[in-house]
Amino acid sequence: ETGVTQTPRHLVMGMTNKKSLKCEQHLGHNAMYWYKQSAKKPLELMFVYNFKEQTENNSVPSRFSPECPNSSHLFLHLHTLQPEDSALYLCASSQGQGPLDTQYFGPGTRLTVL
Amino acid sequence: AQTVTQSQPEMSVQEAETVTLSCTYDTSESDYYLFWYKQPPSRQMILVIRQEAYKQQNATENRFSVNFQKAAKSFSLKISDSQLGDAAMYFCAYRSALKFRDDKIIFGKGTRLHILP
Repeated sequence: ETGVTQTPRHLVMGMTNKKSLKCEQHLGHNAMYWYKQSAKKPLELMFVYNFKEQTENNSVPSRFSPECPNSSHLFLHLHTLQPEDSALYLCASSQGQGPLDTQYFGPGTRLTVL
Repeated sequence: AQTVTQSQPEMSVQEAETVTLSCTYDTSESDYYLFWYKQPPSRQMILVIRQEAYKQQNATENRFSVNFQKAAKSFSLKISDSQLGDAAMYFCAYRSALKFRDDKIIFGKGTRLHILP
């Protein structure tokens, strides 16, 4: 267990649903990340937060809406998703955003959009 | 833009044997970091090893070592004395050292490693 938890672990939703993914880190880190992992594609960075401020939005469609109420919690709100959004969504955290700040990953949420 | 290529989608190795996973990258930068991450079937990805490009000495972490060839832009991972717990997806990754905050890790597509008992 790396100290980063994600809920739910599995989620199936229709294209008209609204759902949220939750990430919590117990490591005292200041930076948190959302990644998308699709089959046979490289891991894609979606959002970065540092001290609750969004520092990167990697051209993510607006149907994905992140929220970071504090340094320990990160949410990804989903609405009107498309089937191609089905993927494993990984959360990660690190002490800082430097290259020597190791990112610790959660187990992921497997999302299926019908 | 930087790219990371892992040409082996899958590999298998007999338990206790040695296996090498390949990775090449493309960059015009001279200062950067390279990583190998492991993602076991439970899906929690962990950092295995890190190499700073300015260091000539290859990084080593217990049974894991790298062969870093900067001129060839090659960064392979060697796993010695393979164990069943080494079965996982392995990702090679690159990060520029030029920008402290605003750069991201670029991942390869991964190599799935099977350990044969």
